[in-house]
Amino acid sequence: AQSVAQPEDQVNVAEGNPLTVKCTYSVSGNPYLFWYVQYPNRGLQFLLKYITGDNLVKGSYGFEAEFNKSQTSFHLKKPSALVSDSALYFCAVRDGGTGFQKLVFGTGTRLLVSP
Amino acid sequence: DGGITQSPKYLFRKEGQNVTLSCEQNLNHDAMYWYRQDPGQGLRLIYYSQIVNDFQKGDIAEGYSVSREKKESFPLTVTSAQKNPTAFYLCASSAIQGDRQPQHFGDGTRLSIL
Repeated sequence: AQSVAQPEDQVNVAEGNPLTVKCTYSVSGNPYLFWYVQYPNRGLQFLLKYITGDNLVKGSYGFEAEFNKSQTSFHLKKPSALVSDSALYFCAVRDGGTGFQKLVFGTGTRLLVSP
Repeated sequence: DGGITQSPKYLFRKEGQNVTLSCEQNLNHDAMYWYRQDPGQGLRLIYYSQIVNDFQKGDIAEGYSVSREKKESFPLTVTSAQKNPTAFYLCASSAIQGDRQPQHFGDGTRLSIL
């Protein structure tokens, strides 16, 4: 069965500094990996995905993520954080096999960007 | 604009009462999902539907029921058998179940006990 781990409940960073939100995964086949962001009392918004191809994936709002197969990681990064990036971030994975494969979410990492 | 509409935004349930959460999408997506979100636990799958008139249990289906009579609609009923219903409920859809495209989410319904 697939699983996702987000080891940090909260990440604190100063505005203008680079940020990293960590994610590791486990699947039996090829992983389809996603990052979502959630603002208070809102649904999840899609940021980026890795399906195949280049290990560095670029997404919305200047975010990017690096797929590392050997470390089974998919960390979310941004070169320069904004206060408005403060939100809850979820990593999710599904197995790329055939048939129904549910999307499994991590427990979320709260990002707090201070002015 | 295409999207997913969940209603109501806030809902209160009395003891022994069933309540129904609405989810409507105009994205022409085949697959729809219901998730429950609790603090610190991420999202857990309640039910999903890959096509009209068909749906499957997810990880935590006990105390919940769904229907899928129309492609656009996937209502969730929280029954009195669900003893701990207080949570944030999220509906999502995707073009084709298992597709490489991401799931799209509504803005949720927050359910509380009176």
